[in-house]
Amino acid sequence: GAVVSQHPSWVICKSGTSVKIECRSLDFQATTMFWYRQFPKQSLMLMATSNEGSKATYEQGVEKDKFLINHASLTLSTLTVTSAHPEDSSFYICSAREGLANTGELFFGEGSRLTVL
Amino acid sequence: DAKTTQPPSMDCAEGRAANLPCNHSTISGNEYVYWYRQIHSQGPQYIIHGLKNNETNEMASLIITEDRKSSTLILPHATLRDTAVYYCIVTGNNDMRFGAGTRLTVKP
Repeated sequence: GAVVSQHPSWVICKSGTSVKIECRSLDFQATTMFWYRQFPKQSLMLMATSNEGSKATYEQGVEKDKFLINHASLTLSTLTVTSAHPEDSSFYICSAREGLANTGELFFGEGSRLTVL
Repeated sequence: DAKTTQPPSMDCAEGRAANLPCNHSTISGNEYVYWYRQIHSQGPQYIIHGLKNNETNEMASLIITEDRKSSTLILPHATLRDTAVYYCIVTGNNDMRFGAGTRLTVKP
């Protein structure tokens, strides 16, 4: 089946630095990718919708200048957490859809756990 | 805001059927019902989805009421590895938002 891969699976960084997380669709082209954040014992929260070749659409309350999303190709989207702070420590998960909206299965990556010291 | 309501937790005996309910009373005509599950510290896993007809695959069955205001996910023979948080999602036009889900615990 279709696979979405995230890298790195976990990362530790110092406060004030930037961290880039990659999300790749390995065997299908993903026009749309989604980025989620999940805090411990909570549900996934949609951060933004990333469309290939255009600007991402951010959810209310998500700072677009802090969470930079780039979707330069049909198989790769990146999330950069800029000037990370300890409160940005979280589990970041991407997903990608194959096919048309509503009719295609949404495939999820295995997540990237960010710890900011 | 999530468009679904699920019980926060459920228990099921190993080998028995697990029936997980979901209310989505405000569902609109073009919205699908999706079910995912998440095992601790992993990405969500797709289970099944449907529009208005009942659906079945190798993992589960999805029963959608005629008025589409609720649905039930059925795991026919639950195993210990089915212990997870199960999310029911109603979506239209790329709006894949997660509610709180149901934490299913399968017990020996």
